[in-house]
Amino acid sequence: QSALTQPASVSGSPGQSITISCTGTSSDVGGYNYVSWYQQHPGKAPKLMIYDVSNRPSGISNRFSGSKSGNTASLTISGLQADDEADYYCNSYTSSTTLIFGGGTKLTVL
Amino acid sequence: QVQLQESGPGPVKPSETLSLTCTVSGGSISSYYWSWIRQPPGKGLEWIGYIYYGGSTNYNPSLKSRVTISQDTSKNQFSLKLSSVTAADTAVYYCARGFNRGELRVLGYWGQGTLVTVSS
Repeated sequence: QSALTQPASVSGSPGQSITISCTGTSSDVGGYNYVSWYQQHPGKAPKLMIYDVSNRPSGISNRFSGSKSGNTASLTISGLQADDEADYYCNSYTSSTTLIFGGGTKLTVL
Repeated sequence: QVQLQESGPGPVKPSETLSLTCTVSGGSISSYYWSWIRQPPGKGLEWIGYIYYGGSTNYNPSLKSRVTISQDTSKNQFSLKLSSVTAADTAVYYCARGFNRGELRVLGYWGQGTLVTVSS
């Protein structure tokens, strides 16, 4: 299975909004509403931010939102803050009953 | 609050078998999916495989021939074995739990990770 496709990097200024895309196939992203997003700060374990395309776990700011269209899922972060600077990974359930990650996107807050 | 902690014997030599254990506290391993994920230095995350509390497993096709995941319910632990390792297997290895009972698709809780170096 090939990794889901994410942009290597995105950037934005404090207060702005950014969107990170995650493209897969009909066997993963497009076939199920089972896309998750994880935030990872340097030296730390990943943290669940969005699950099942658009759901936020308890305690996650509503500045984080998710959506999906066809084989592409997206994570939008509004009102960018300095602490949002991190790596972001998408993940999808697949038709083989496995999980697959995206290559990761480095978010820089200018 | 469930907590996960990875542990292992340390550096591994090429061609040997990497062995790690994940100890779960604050909850039982019953009724959940338990996964292993790894991250080579400076690179992205790679899902390795899962075990469900009943003992069923599935693995990343790219690693399937070398991976075994098992569990010890009496110790509330599950384990990873990766055989015939090379330098490319050097990575931080994480264990994780499904967010909800009976669901694989969301990795809700993670261990802090442990770096395993493959070197002669």
